Amino acid sequence: GAGVSQSPRYKVAKRGQDVALRCDPISGHVSLFWYQQALGQGPEFLTYFQNEAQLDKSGLPSDRFFAERPEGSVSTLKIQRTQQEDSAVYLCASSYLVLNTGELFFGEGSRLTVL
Amino acid sequence: QKEVEQNSGPLSVPEGAIASLNCTYSDRGSQSFFWYRQYSGKSPELIMFIYSNGDKEDGRFTAQLNKASQYVSLLIRDSQPSDSATYLCAVKVGGGNKLTFGTGTQLKVEL
Repeated sequence: GAGVSQSPRYKVAKRGQDVALRCDPISGHVSLFWYQQALGQGPEFLTYFQNEAQLDKSGLPSDRFFAERPEGSVSTLKIQRTQQEDSAVYLCASSYLVLNTGELFFGEGSRLTVL
Repeated sequence: QKEVEQNSGPLSVPEGAIASLNCTYSDRGSQSFFWYRQYSGKSPELIMFIYSNGDKEDGRFTAQLNKASQYVSLLIRDSQPSDSATYLCAVKVGGGNKLTFGTGTQLKVEL
């Protein structure tokens, strides 16, 4: 596709449920990032992949959060036993190589609401 | 202290005026600075980046960087209602790969 594609766009989960959010980056983009954006806040870094290697996961808030990119293209962010504080928009972004100009191409995000 | 700080606004300017958006950062190792625009309900999109002290102009937009003061700003000349959005300042530290974002400043351009 032409841009970064994320699914689902909207997800409502009951507290304690597991969720999986998918990101399909721009074809050929080596770098992939996940960010969490709470209402009225800026994006907060979660994790970074270069191809299939997860090089930085320092932003994952707890061991309930897990991300993978097994073949170096599509990535999945999984949240286990969701809590209300997990409610946010989860943004995926990709870039061609490691950040040079800083141009991250963002998807439209997956809005997670935990009841 | 947050790594990247911005006034959340809203900043209201009349159409045709200059909008000035400011950002400070805490890590002196920061080397690259970016301004992203985010419309309500949409994803961020890059407007400009700047690496060196001084000004960088692109159309109606000018980015200004002062590393000694750890300050970066974005000027928008001849503001238009379509410029109404949240402007996110982002910083890349040294050889790192991630961008650290501020909370964003909401800009409203009024007719």
